[in-house]
Order: sequence, then structure tokens, then C-alpha cells
Amino acid sequence: ELKVEQNPLFLSMQEGKNYTIYCNYSTTSDRLYWYRQDPGKSLESLFVLLSNGAVKQEGRLMASLDTKARLSTLHITAAVHDLSATYFCAGPNQAGTALIFGKGTTLSVSS
Amino acid sequence: KAGVTQTPRYLIKTRGQQVTLSCSPISGHRSVSWYQQTPGQGLQFLFEYFSETQRNKGNFPGRFSGRQFSNSRSEMNVSTLELGDSALYLCASSAGVGANVLTFGAGSRLTVL
Repeated sequence: ELKVEQNPLFLSMQEGKNYTIYCNYSTTSDRLYWYRQDPGKSLESLFVLLSNGAVKQEGRLMASLDTKARLSTLHITAAVHDLSATYFCAGPNQAGTALIFGKGTTLSVSS
Repeated sequence: KAGVTQTPRYLIKTRGQQVTLSCSPISGHRSVSWYQQTPGQGLQFLFEYFSETQRNKGNFPGRFSGRQFSNSRSEMNVSTLELGDSALYLCASSAGVGANVLTFGAGSRLTVL
């Protein structure tokens, strides 16, 4: 069964600096999803990565997928306070019937 | 376009009681999935319904059940509540069945005392 591991689980960021979150998954998958969750709120879809080498960018966030390494990264450029949230990566289970989520990475941006 | 609507948003129950949560998907979406989110276990898949049929089920006891109506609205029920059932229950809808892009509702936060 797919296992999804994120690291770090907590990241304290300084405004203006760059950071990377890593998402490793245990079995072959050609799809990877990133979601954002603000405290007390629901999950918001950020990126859908559908193939090896896929790269998606939105503002200060850029996500990439390496299916051979079973690794996705979420890169944050010049962190700002608005990016403080918990970020989840998720992949389909082996049967393709449900999404398996990582534990989430909680980002905190301070000036 | 209206999003995924979940009701109630908050509720408090006592052990042994049962609870029913409701979810209205995005118009045109026929798949509804339910997830349980807790600080210890994270996000865990409960079940998915498509065209009124349960297509997939996660590893939860039979106390957790659900159904879907002809208008794609879904309900989940938890019977004989336990303290450990305290969680945020998230409903998500998608256009197709299975692990697709999910649009989540705001969630129903259940507290069991």
C-alpha cells in the first residue's frame, strides 16, 4: 500500500528566504497532488502533477515530480507571511480508488 | 459555482450516541469521498460514493457508514460514538470515481465527550 512521507513536518521560515518541502512515496505512481490547509479551514488544491518531470508554478510556489525517484518537491521562493499554512502531498493508492495523504508540513513565516 | 457544502459545521455528542453528517457536492460532480482528519492519524480515507453506490472503502469499523442520494448528496453516519471519533470529517467531490482532483468542503468538526 502506498505510503507518503513528508519532511520536514514543521518548518519555520524567514521572510524573503527560499525553502523546499520533500514528499517521498513508496510505490510507483504517475500522479501526485499538493494541497494547502489554513488553520481551521478545509483543504485547497494547489497542484496536480501528472507525469514524470512535471513542474507547476503558482506565485512563489513551484512543485515538481520525479516518478523514478518517487519524489515530489514543493519549493518556496522568497517566503512571505501569507504562505503560513499546512501543506499536504497525496498520491493515489494502488487500486487508484482513493488519495493517500502525507502527514503534512506546517510552515510558519516570520519577519 | 457553489463549492462543497457540509453540515453541520460543529457538533458535540456523547459516547454511545450516533451522528449523521451531510455533504452536498459541487453541481455536476457525481463522486463524493469522506475523510477523517485527526492530529494523530492525519487524513484517512473513509469511503467514496459514485452514482449512489459505495465504490471504495477505507479501513474503518462498521460503525462508520454512508450513503449517496440520487442528487449526489451524501451522508455519513457514525454509530455508538467513541472518544476517538472526535475529528474533523471532510467531504470532497470530484467529477469521476477514484483518486482524482478532489474539492473539499469546510468540514464537520465532531467532538465526542
